[in-house]
Parts: sequence; C-alpha cells; structure tokens
Amino acid sequence: GQSLEQPSEVTAVEGAIVQINCTYQTSGFYGLSWYQQHDGGAPTFLSYNALDGLEETGRFSSFLSRSDSYGYLLLQELQMKDSASYFCAVRNFNKFYFGSGTKLNVKP
Amino acid sequence: EAQVTQNPRYLITVTGKKLTVTCSQNMNHEYMSWYRQDPGLGLRQIYYSMNVEVTDKGDVPEGYKVSRKEKRNFPLILESPSPNQTSLYFCASSTRAGLTDTQYFGPGTRLTVL
Repeated sequence: GQSLEQPSEVTAVEGAIVQINCTYQTSGFYGLSWYQQHDGGAPTFLSYNALDGLEETGRFSSFLSRSDSYGYLLLQELQMKDSASYFCAVRNFNKFYFGSGTKLNVKP
Repeated sequence: EAQVTQNPRYLITVTGKKLTVTCSQNMNHEYMSWYRQDPGLGLRQIYYSMNVEVTDKGDVPEGYKVSRKEKRNFPLILESPSPNQTSLYFCASSTRAGLTDTQYFGPGTRLTVL
C-alpha cells in the first residue's frame, strides 16, 4: 500500500520559521508536492520536488531526499495568513496520494 | 480567468438517488481528477483521466463512475449514493502528469447522503 506521514498540528509565532515533515512509503515515486488549504477553501499548489534537494519559492522552500523517502516544507517569516492546513502528496505514475495534513497555527 | 468550476457546491440527497457532480476547466488541461476529503484522512483520489476517453481508477473508486467525453469536462456520477459517500469532493486539473504535478482544484462540493 501507500502511506504518507505528517504531523497533525504545529504551532509557531509570527515571524518565525517552521518545518513540516513528510515521510512516505509508496510502491513507486515520481514526485512530492505540497498544497495549502485554508478552512473552507480548496487546496492550492505550493511546491514540487522530483529530484533530491531544495526548491525555493519566495518564503516557502521544499526539500526532498528520495533515499530517505522524506521531504519537508519550510515556511519562513511566518504571517498570520499562513495559518492553514498543509498537505504533502506523492505521485506514483499517474496516481496521487495525499497525507492527512498538518494544521499550522500561527500566533501573534 | 483560469479556473476549475464545480456544481453544485452543496447537495443534500437520499440514499439511492442518482446524482452527478459536474466539473469543468478552462485551461486546456489534459489531466483531470476527482478527490474526496474526509476529516483526518486527507484527500483520496477517486478517479482520474489522462485525456478524452481515457479514465482510470484512483485509490477509492467503489461506488463512483466518471466519463470524459470532452477535454474540459469531467463529471462524477454516483449511481446509488450511500451515507458513507457523505464527504467533501474536489475536482482538479493539471497539464499532463509528469511535467510539474501542479494541480488546480475546484471550490469543492459538499455532499450529504441521508
């Protein structure tokens, strides 16, 4: 089967840096992506890694280690609007598998 | 504006009454997919389509049907809904899977089956 593990909840203060980890077990791997979802909203794409290393997009960075079946999303200079749920997703050929999500609470 | 639309946004129905949730995208995307989201379970893929007339099962296809007769539309059909299909449903589209994995999601359809 396929499984993705990420923490259920993380709390951080405004201006801080937070890292959300994702470990996965899948029969095949074609890429790891990250999505943000605000309460009542639709998931929106943040970042994608197909190869090992760090990808940076503004305040967000994502890292992948295929040998460790592990990735993380790094959010810098946290803002109140970053309070949301964050999902990692693995693509196995043409199918996608999502983690159960990490709820990020940003406090003033 | 580039977008994925779904209708209806909210639906309350009864067990066994056939229903269709429509999904349409205006980005000329090849890949389209349906997900359901339940508390604590994240998003689970129901069906996906690589292009017109090409569909395949995702992780949880039981009780659902799809069709892809036009590139822009990908309806989800529940022929005999049951209470365990009560969920939040999202349609998504992307350029051919394998390029960026960027999926664009519709606003969601909240379905309640009584």
